[in-house]
Amino acid sequence: EIVLTQSPDFQSVTPKEKVTITCRASQSIGSSLHWYQQKPDQSPKLLIKYASQSISGVPSRFSGSGSGTDFTLTINSLEAEDAAAYYCHQSSSLPLTFGGGTKVEIK
Amino acid sequence: QLQLQESGPGLVKPSETLSLTCTVSGGSISSSSYYWGWIRQPPGKGLEWIGSIYYSGSTYYNPSLKSRVTISVDTSKNQFSLKLSSVTAADTAVYYCARHPAYGDPWDAFDIWGQGTMVTVSS
Repeated sequence: EIVLTQSPDFQSVTPKEKVTITCRASQSIGSSLHWYQQKPDQSPKLLIKYASQSISGVPSRFSGSGSGTDFTLTINSLEAEDAAAYYCHQSSSLPLTFGGGTKVEIK
Repeated sequence: QLQLQESGPGLVKPSETLSLTCTVSGGSISSSSYYWGWIRQPPGKGLEWIGSIYYSGSTYYNPSLKSRVTISVDTSKNQFSLKLSSVTAADTAVYYCARHPAYGDPWDAFDIWGQGTMVTVSS
């Protein structure tokens, strides 16, 4: 099973700041890494797929990068509505797995 | 616009079987382009993939739950279902159904999710 380790677990950020969340895979997964945003009491929403591919309707301040074992989700110029938990997910092999999540709080 | 909606009992007794259904609207579950999956999230915790099914009935399960899980599809009703047997308090979670494209490399992201349904295991 591929383990995904996210860091940090929690981040408190002021609006307009840049946020960087990392996800490390226990073995190489190519670019089969996806990012989700989950706001309180909502279902996860796909933000980025295949490490860096943008999703229609997702603000351009969200971007992803990386390949192999190390991946990054970047939120440029954080907005209040971005307060949420963020999860990475690998689809390289079964079982499909998720990272433990990163909670982003707005100061 | 495709939508997924989970339904089923919100309370299940320990040792019994949890049964949930996901109804797909705005599109066909028989599309060869998608798998249909179940994911759960215990209160305050992260996400766990339970398993996925193709419209043909091919199933893929998380080994950690495989001995207790059955996922089935009913194309006539545009639904797929989850059964989890011998439940314990550890199975208390929000259960989501979701869609993922079948042309992934080799699998794909979950691009559409249901709203989720809370299931509590308690006597």
